[in-house]
Order: sequence, then C-alpha cells, then structure tokens
Amino acid sequence: KNEVEQSPQNLTAQEGEFITINCSYSVGISALHWLQQHPGGGIVSLFMLSSGKKKHGRLIATINIQEKHSSLHITASHPRDSAVYICAVSSGLRNNNDMRFGAGTRLTVKP
Amino acid sequence: DAGITQSPRHKVTETGTPVTLRCHQTENHRYMYWYRQDPGHGLRLIHYSYGVKDTDKGEVSDGYSVSRSKTEDFLLTLESATSSQTSVYFCAIGDLVGTQYFGPGTRLLVL
Repeated sequence: KNEVEQSPQNLTAQEGEFITINCSYSVGISALHWLQQHPGGGIVSLFMLSSGKKKHGRLIATINIQEKHSSLHITASHPRDSAVYICAVSSGLRNNNDMRFGAGTRLTVKP
Repeated sequence: DAGITQSPRHKVTETGTPVTLRCHQTENHRYMYWYRQDPGHGLRLIHYSYGVKDTDKGEVSDGYSVSRSKTEDFLLTLESATSSQTSVYFCAIGDLVGTQYFGPGTRLLVL
C-alpha cells in the first residue's frame, strides 16, 4: 500500500462545479504539499500546510492531522484548472529528502 | 517562477550509452533534487544534494550518479542507459521553509 493515496484517480467536471480531491497518508508528517502539474508537464507548488486550512484564490486546502487526511477544493471550476493534482508529504527533515508523492488526480473541467 | 532550467528537454539515446542531464538554478538555494516520474507512480527521488559536493541517494538511485561542483548546477548521469530508465526527469530546488520548485522536466527515451 502506498504511503500517500489520492482519490479519485480521474475526475471530470463541468465548468462552475465545486471540486474536491482527497489525500490520505499513513506516515507521520510535518507538512503536506499540494502540487499542480499542467498538461505540458510543468509542476507548480500550490500549498504547503501542517494544520488547518489555506486559501489562494479559488483553491482551498485543508488538513486533518488526527485523521491523516487532506482535501483540495476548487470553487467555480474552470477549464484552465484541468491538470494533474499531486499530494505529497514530508516528515520534517529540513532538506525534505523524504517527500512521498501520491500518484496524482487527473482533473478535466469541461466548458 | 523560480529560476530553474533543465537541459536537454528531450533526449533519445540507445541502451548502453552514457547520458547526462543538467539542472541549473539562479535562486542560490542550497537543496537540489532529481526525481523521475513514471505512469502509475508518484514522483520518486533519485538523488539529492545538501550543497556543493554534498549529495546522497534517494529511493531509486541504482544506475544513477550525480555531481554538484557549483551551487547552481546539479548533474544527473546515467552511466549506461537502460530501457527501464526511460522516464520524465524533474529537477527541483528547495527553499528553507520546505517548498520545492520544479524544473520543466526532461523526457528521456532509451531505445
């Protein structure tokens, strides 16, 4: 079993819908990361969080440390949100050489 | 965007030949990483670097070596490429709070 599990693997939505992507992990962590991989392949860091909630524009990330679970929400989804969203966890080593990545959730938003 | 480039961006080579991929950063970050990304797998760490001439193995280091003679450059070498090393390779740099910034990736095909 992977240390970081994401669901769903694939998600198709209509423009304007509210999107939720889930991430569960089985190891102790100090931080959880959400990344976005564009169709062209580039990877961008969206959030790093260790507790509570963070918001950036239409994106909201939450984490529940006790339940070892995080969610990424997208409000008012748009076709430009189509991408692969990757969850990753790190244990807190300063150099982050122990990051573990989920396999990603492929989101397609149709106009 | 963090100043991080990779070269080449695409490479086709034959089994048994040596290949070197270059990662160059202009951010003066101490930490640098090489990952590979394969279908069905999350990003997996190959090697990482704490600083000049200070490197260590990651999860999937067999068949790979690295060198870092300058802060800005991190080289990944496949001494004798095999078909199992066909992959997309990402370099990343890490800041002091743990966020990683990824390069654009290199697509390597070993025939």
